Amino acid sequence: TQLLEQSPQFLSIQEGENLTVYCNSSSVFSSLQWYRQEPGEGPVLLVTVVTGGEVKKLKRLTFQFGDARKDSSLHITAAQPGDTGLYLCAGPRGGGTSYGKLTFGQGTILTVHP
Amino acid sequence: ETGVTQSPTHLIKTRGQQVTLRCSSQSGHNTVSWYQQALGQGPQFIFQYYREEENGRGNFPPRFSGLQFPNYSSELNVNALELDDSALYLCASSLGLALAYEQYFGPGTRLTVT
Repeated sequence: TQLLEQSPQFLSIQEGENLTVYCNSSSVFSSLQWYRQEPGEGPVLLVTVVTGGEVKKLKRLTFQFGDARKDSSLHITAAQPGDTGLYLCAGPRGGGTSYGKLTFGQGTILTVHP
Repeated sequence: ETGVTQSPTHLIKTRGQQVTLRCSSQSGHNTVSWYQQALGQGPQFIFQYYREEENGRGNFPPRFSGLQFPNYSSELNVNALELDDSALYLCASSLGLALAYEQYFGPGTRLTVT
């Protein structure tokens, strides 16, 4: 079974600070995804990284896929209260390419204080 | 375009009872996946349906069963409810099984088993 471990589990910071969330596995993934989930809602896809070493930017969010495709990171620059939420990494189960069957990490709860 | 909807929003059941949760896919989506998300955890894959056929199952007992209808809406049935079944149940739909198709999650059904 492929497992994804996220760290830290909880992150509480002040507005304007930078932060990094990590997603690690002992298994190779064909791709990894990052989602953000707010209370009372389902996860919303932020990005998909496919190529080892790939870096993608989404405004103040920077996503990186490890060269060996076993890990990924999410970096947020100058965090804002609107960034508060549960951040989840996920990858296709069993090394498959279908995104419909995902293995999720346990999530990182981010709280950004004004 | 209507997004993924789930009903009911909240549900309270007693141990040993049976429950049916419903999911309406986004228009044109023929693939539905169901996930269980315990409090403070990432979602866990239950099973996936593609064009009315089950297409993969996670580590859940047979008392978790599902259906997908010709209009691609879906049901999740859980028999003999246990206290540990208390969780947020999410469904996600996509245009198909291919790598490029993004999954769209519904807001979930919060099930409490007492």
